[in-house]
Amino acid sequence: GAGVSQSPSNKVTEKGKDVELRCDPISGHTALYWYRQSLGQGLEFLIYFQGNSAPDKSGLPSDRFSAERTGGSVSTLTIQRTQQEDSAVYLCASSLTPSTDTQYFGPGTRLTVL
Amino acid sequence: AQKVTQAQTEISVVEKEDVTLDCVYETRDTTYYLFWYKQPPSGELVFLIRRNSFDEQNEISGRYSWNFQKSTSSFNFTITASQVVDSAVYFCALSEAASGTYKYIFGTGTRLKVLA
Repeated sequence: GAGVSQSPSNKVTEKGKDVELRCDPISGHTALYWYRQSLGQGLEFLIYFQGNSAPDKSGLPSDRFSAERTGGSVSTLTIQRTQQEDSAVYLCASSLTPSTDTQYFGPGTRLTVL
Repeated sequence: AQKVTQAQTEISVVEKEDVTLDCVYETRDTTYYLFWYKQPPSGELVFLIRRNSFDEQNEISGRYSWNFQKSTSSFNFTITASQVVDSAVYFCALSEAASGTYKYIFGTGTRLKVLA
């Protein structure tokens, strides 16, 4: 079956612009996670969805970051007024259920803010 | 506080050598899971293994083996007879039942270079 997919694979934007990153989880997976991988911070958790709800947003670095999930499937991570420090690889992962299942990762979106 | 430490930033070995990647974790939770992922140059994180806190049995899968020791809070990964294709960054991760979300806490990764 298909794995987790993310789009775009690469995004270059200018400082101050808004960007949207998309994640398509594995079909039937109820749990969805966003992580960020950057040189300075390593791999860090951003937000967790169970179905369409986001009970844990504790990793979002500022109120410029938001995310939603619709239909218990596709998720979009939005970064408003991008800054250079937002440059990173944004990874999405999904698992069948959160509690006992492994998270499977997508290929990531590399975001570069000029 | 929960934490994962991978003290080895980079390791270089010659093909066919055995290599062990170290992972030390900290948690107050009694129910937790430990993972290893491989990140090849292509960038995608590839799942290798998951262990739960109640199962300290070591595991072997082909050339890969894992040693889980609760007494030392370690979950080390050994590659036997390394190959060039093993070159990648390897991440150890922890998830805790107490979080409710089972989000991962990652170590900083170990870059393994296997030289032909």
